[in-house]
Amino acid sequence: DADVTQTPRNRITKTGKRIMLECSQTKGHDRMYWYRQDPGLGLRLIYYSFDVKDINKGEISDGYSVSRQAQAKFSLSLESAIPNQTALYFCATSDQLAGGPDTQYFGPGTRLTVL
Amino acid sequence: LAKTTQPISMDSYEGQEVNITCSHNNIATNDYITWYQQFPSQGPRFIIQGYKTKVTNEVASLFIPADRKSSTLSLPRVSLSDTAVYYCLVEGAAGNKLTFGGGTRVLVKP
Repeated sequence: DADVTQTPRNRITKTGKRIMLECSQTKGHDRMYWYRQDPGLGLRLIYYSFDVKDINKGEISDGYSVSRQAQAKFSLSLESAIPNQTALYFCATSDQLAGGPDTQYFGPGTRLTVL
Repeated sequence: LAKTTQPISMDSYEGQEVNITCSHNNIATNDYITWYQQFPSQGPRFIIQGYKTKVTNEVASLFIPADRKSSTLSLPRVSLSDTAVYYCLVEGAAGNKLTFGGGTRVLVKP
């Protein structure tokens, strides 16, 4: 979805380096999310934010941190990258359908390789 | 969160109807069923959502029996471009944290 952008799209780094992945959205949504996906598996939630002052840990937050700089921006940091953090990372935003759970809109993903 | 079970993979041919059944025996009263589609190296994309009976949109239909312990995503007359992974999710009415299982890998052949 072009309304959710991620930078960089690909990144190769070395063990121990600090890495920041950035996400921007023009959908005007308050809620934003970071997921990782490993080959052949579903997505796992890392962190999520319901508004600028709200940050919540997801299923696999260890080794990651986030920053919600503005409604439209949500960054994911790997403080000291390790090889098992090699994965495809997705940012998403959401709104809520009338009477139902949120519909999430995903960015194109960032492929991160940690050597 | 209700656990979902769906087939790992399915093969089909162009022009056929594809039906993917998802089991969710522990679905709660306020849970909804949502399906997402994911193409290789892309983020998932919302397809359809329902609570009971049948829901239809321009892309697919979702059939939910009265006991709601399963649901079936129906893709009519698939084309090669429908080759993707399809995820079944069960979330509460105020749900905002999606839980993705392994999904069903659908391969459409010529």
